[in-house]
Amino acid sequence: EVQLVESGGGLVKPGGSLRLSCAASGFSFSSYSMDWVRQAPGKGLEWVSSISSSSGYIFYADSVKGRFTISRDNAKNSLYLQMNSLRAEDTAVYYCARRYVDNPGDPLDYWGQGTLVTVSS
Amino acid sequence: DIQMTQSPSSLSASVGDRVTITCRASQSISSYLNWYQQKPGKAPKLLIYAASTLQSGVPSRFSGSGSGTDFTLTISSLQPEDFATYYCQQSYSSPYSFGQGTKLEIK
Repeated sequence: EVQLVESGGGLVKPGGSLRLSCAASGFSFSSYSMDWVRQAPGKGLEWVSSISSSSGYIFYADSVKGRFTISRDNAKNSLYLQMNSLRAEDTAVYYCARRYVDNPGDPLDYWGQGTLVTVSS
Repeated sequence: DIQMTQSPSSLSASVGDRVTITCRASQSISSYLNWYQQKPGKAPKLLIYAASTLQSGVPSRFSGSGSGTDFTLTISSLQPEDFATYYCQQSYSSPYSFGQGTKLEIK
């Protein structure tokens, strides 16, 4: 069974940093691209970042470019999102999601349960 | 960047109704269009990908169509469990934008 479990969320002050993790199991993690998607309270889905299976391609939303860094450790079956210079508008539930295979055009077929990040003083 | 616009933003319907939600891209995205269903407090669930391919395990009352810039999601006969929010997403090019969502409510 495919499982994605996010962790690392919490309350952080504006300008602070946080590192999210996503532990994957039930599939060959090193063969799949992975994404982060977020959802502000009461709002819609916002795509954040994508990373290919071998980290050969990485993409970011303009809203996080230069502040967030996506990475992965295939040996540990884990996906990460390092978030720096956090702003109030980064407050959201952050989901990790698996791409159908390893192509940029693939859909997101499995999602974690999400982890809440709150940026507030 | 590609903008995705869904309509309507909300919709009231009854069990058994046929419902159609539309999604328009600001430029051609070929068939790189996906549909997700999200229920309150839950993660999104993939329903349809590549505009018209039903994800495994998704009931056949869901269908998708379109290509280029205009797409539709149709639910042929609404069931109680279908009341949720639906999102389209383009996977043609980064940033992989979502529509703003369509909330489907019980009439």
